[in-house]
Amino acid sequence: GEEVAQTPKHLVRGEGQKAKLYCAPIKGHSYVFWYQQVLKNEFKFLISFQNENVFDETGMPKERFSAKCLPNSPCSLEIQATKLEDSAVYFCASSRPGTAYGYTFGSGTRLTVV
Amino acid sequence: AQTVTQSQPEMSVQEAETVTLSCTYDTSESDYYLFWYKQPPSRQMILVIRQEAYKQQNATENRFSVNFQKAAKSFSLKISDSQLGDAAMYFCAYRGIQGAQKLVFGQGTRLTINP
Repeated sequence: GEEVAQTPKHLVRGEGQKAKLYCAPIKGHSYVFWYQQVLKNEFKFLISFQNENVFDETGMPKERFSAKCLPNSPCSLEIQATKLEDSAVYFCASSRPGTAYGYTFGSGTRLTVV
Repeated sequence: AQTVTQSQPEMSVQEAETVTLSCTYDTSESDYYLFWYKQPPSRQMILVIRQEAYKQQNATENRFSVNFQKAAKSFSLKISDSQLGDAAMYFCAYRGIQGAQKLVFGQGTRLTINP
């Protein structure tokens, strides 16, 4: 299908618990991106992949965040030991390579850390 | 590093009128792409319009058009004949051309349509 599928839509975790978010990019899209949108609506870039390889991870808080995009599996974003400030909507987006098209975004996963 | 600035946190317009949302950016690259995204209360990100920097002609999509001024690094969005469904957050975004380049977003402008 022509949509980026993110699961779950909502996730509630106690502080210190692990959270794992999933993203199935559109078939044929070899670029995948993760963004965090906090309550002030600001978008923070986390990480991008070119196929299964990390392209840019400059936005990742590496001590607690990790991400993977393995062949024939949904991409994943994992947060170890969640903190209150991790509460946000996490968006995944995918794109074809070498085009002028903007990215197609998923509908997001709302993570609430209590 | 590239930056995108939207200086209008909020804008409002009467239904059927025209409104312009401002966006400026900073880059040292000569080729890149610019986008406007709409985010309604559902939070779904919807691509409104895109512009390739090497094209001088301003992009147009139905009631949406841009005023791209490359030398001034300005990329404003004009919405004509505003409709109630246009109410949303609007984000301006920049993307380089090499590989899996990230989108760099502005802070967003909340647009309200008054009936």
